[in-house]
Amino acid sequence: SQKIEQNSEALNIQEGKTATLTCNYTNYSPAYLQWYRQDPGRGPVFLLLIRENEKEKRKERLKVTFDTTLKQSLFHITASQPADSATYLCALDMGRRALTFGSGTRLQVQP
Amino acid sequence: DVKVTQSSRYLVKRTGEKVFLECVQDMDHENMFWYRQDPGLGLRLIYFSYDVKMKEKGDIPEGYSVSREKKERFSLILESASTNQTSMYLCASSFDGGDTDTQYFGPGTRLTVL
Repeated sequence: SQKIEQNSEALNIQEGKTATLTCNYTNYSPAYLQWYRQDPGRGPVFLLLIRENEKEKRKERLKVTFDTTLKQSLFHITASQPADSATYLCALDMGRRALTFGSGTRLQVQP
Repeated sequence: DVKVTQSSRYLVKRTGEKVFLECVQDMDHENMFWYRQDPGLGLRLIYFSYDVKMKEKGDIPEGYSVSREKKERFSLILESASTNQTSMYLCASSFDGGDTDTQYFGPGTRLTVL
C-alpha cells in the first residue's frame, strides 16, 4: 500500500542553524510533492511545491529537494528562527484527486 | 485573499447526536475535502467532492456522510456521533484547473463527543 513517512520525533535545533526535515514515500511515483506548515490549533498552510522533474526548489529561507530514485524529499530551513517552530507536513499526489499527507514532523527552534 | 471558513472552532456533542460541520470557501474552487487529524495519525481523508452533488470516499468514510448542494459549501455529517469521532476536523478546497492540487485549509473544528 502507499505510504508516506515523516520523522515522528520532534526536531530541536538552535536559532540560526539549518533545520532539515525528511519525507519518504513508497510504492508510488508522484508527479509532485508539496510541503505545508501547521501551527497548533490551525489548519495547514501551503509552502512549496516541487515537481518530479525538479531536483531543487527555493523560496526565501526554504529549500526543498526531491529525489525520485530514493523516493525522498528533504525540506530545509536556513537561518532558522523561533517563529519557524511548527509542524511541517509533506503531501503527495498519489493518483487520485486528493493529496495524501504525511503525519508531520514538529520543529522546535530554541532561541 | 483566499478564505475557507468552518462553522465552529469548538463543538461538544453527546453520543448518538447528529452532528453537522459546515465549510464554506470563497475561491470558486471545484474541489473540497474533509479530513480528521489525530495525534500520531496525521491528516486522514474522510470524503472529498470535485463538483456540486458529487462525492468520493476517502480513506476513513465509515460513520460519516457529506453533502455538497452548492459549489462553495461542503458539509460533513456524523449521523450518530460516537466517542471515537472526537477529533480535529479540517476542511480544505483546491482549484481543479491546473496540474497540481494545492489545498487551502480552514481553521479546523475541534469536536468532542461525550
